[in-house]
Amino acid sequence: DIQMTQSPSTLSASVGDRVTITCRASQSISRWLAWYQQKPGGAPKFLIYKASTLENGVPLRFSGSGSGTEFTLTISSLQPDDFATYFCQQYNSYPLTFGGGTKVEIK
Amino acid sequence: QVQLVQSGAEVTKPGASVKVSCKASGHTFTGYYIHWVRQAPGQGLEWLGLVNTGTGATEYAQKFQGRVTMTRDTSISTAYMELIRLGSDDTAIYYCARTITTPGYLFFDYWGQGSLVAVSS
Repeated sequence: DIQMTQSPSTLSASVGDRVTITCRASQSISRWLAWYQQKPGGAPKFLIYKASTLENGVPLRFSGSGSGTEFTLTISSLQPDDFATYFCQQYNSYPLTFGGGTKVEIK
Repeated sequence: QVQLVQSGAEVTKPGASVKVSCKASGHTFTGYYIHWVRQAPGQGLEWLGLVNTGTGATEYAQKFQGRVTMTRDTSISTAYMELIRLGSDDTAIYYCARTITTPGYLFFDYWGQGSLVAVSS
C-alpha cells in the first residue's frame, strides 16, 4: 500500500497569511494526487486533482504542485472560510489512500 | 445537481452487521463508481472499496476483504455497503463518494453526507 504522510499535522495561522501543506508518498505516484477540505461535522470537499488542477469554483488562492513523491497545497492569502482540515489522497493505485490530515487553525 | 443521500445513523452491537445505503441523483448512476470511505472519531479517512455501478464489479481494500460487501440497485440508483462482524473499532462515519470510471480520475468529486455507525455493547 502507498503511505501518504502530511505535514504539519496542525498549522496555526492568521487571516492573510500564506500557508503551505506538504504531502509525501511512500513511492512515486506521478501526479495522481487530490486535495480535499473538511470542516467539522461535514463531508470532505474536493479542491484539486492531478496535483495542480483546481476543481471548478475553487478560489484561485488555492494552488497545488508537485510530482513523484512530494506535493504541496498552498493557500496564498488565508481567509476566514479556509480554517479547516485538509487531506491529500493518492489515486495511483489501489488501495486508494489518504494523508493523515492537516488542521489549519486560527493563530 | 448531483446528490448522494445516505441512510441514517445506526447503533449496533459487537458481532452484528450493518448495511448503509447511498442514493444518487443528478447524474447517470451507471457512469460512475461509488466508493465507501470511513472516518473514525477525530481520525483520518480510510478507503474501504468501490462498486462499479454499471457492472456490479467490486474492488475492496485488503483489510476489509471477507467482511465487506458492496452492491448496487440500478433501478433505484442506490449503492449499498454491508459490513459484518462489527467491532468497536468500526465505529465511524461512513461516507459514499463517486468517481469517474476512467483510470486517472479516481478522485472523489461528490460525497454523501455521511452515516454514523456506532458499535457498542
